[in-house]
Amino acid sequence: DAKTTQPPSMDCAEGRAANLPCNHSTISGNEYVYWYRQIHSQGPQYIIHGLKNNETNEMASLIITEDRKSSTLILPHATLRDTAVYYCIVRAGANNLFFGTGTRLTVIP
Amino acid sequence: DAGVTQSPTHLIKTRGQHVTLRCSPISGHKSVSWYQQVLGQGPQFIFQYYEKEERGRGNFPDRFSARQFPNYSSELNVNALLLGDSALYLCASSPSDRGRVGANVLTFGAGSRLTVL
Repeated sequence: DAKTTQPPSMDCAEGRAANLPCNHSTISGNEYVYWYRQIHSQGPQYIIHGLKNNETNEMASLIITEDRKSSTLILPHATLRDTAVYYCIVRAGANNLFFGTGTRLTVIP
Repeated sequence: DAGVTQSPTHLIKTRGQHVTLRCSPISGHKSVSWYQQVLGQGPQFIFQYYEKEERGRGNFPDRFSARQFPNYSSELNVNALLLGDSALYLCASSPSDRGRVGANVLTFGAGSRLTVL
């Protein structure tokens, strides 16, 4: 699995866009980028995934650079309920995900 | 539809004891994975089962074992508990083993919090 690098923590004002970066410079061609988040004391929650193209769903947008060495998760209008640890994971197939330590996002009122 | 359900939600054991944790996957999901999350760290992969067969194992000692039943539910067993086994144990299910490319989305349960005294 390609390793990922994320900042340990970030703050975002409520109602503003939260942009969470992830570096995965050793990603290989068949590896997808997945984002999960974990709200305190709950199980991780799937957010979005992508391979090459940018992706958008009801929760977030995923922007992947053309060389695929980094990506950004965008929460367009952050709310207090988006306060969580966000994990960027790179994996091809299989179900054993490597979570790392993630980015702790704090949304400030 | 019910999500991934785990039991018990909390339990306390003493060193040397044995524990069994249970997981029921989402209806129709045939793959179950187990993760251990120690306080302050991200989840660590323990096992994956698909169609009752072990398909993957993380770097955990033989004190950890698991199995999957015909109805796709699963048990995680830990023998000879150590203080360091205190953690949140997470179960995740997915529709298949590897899935279609890009479709390996895991759905996690809320976890079982184990405290070893």
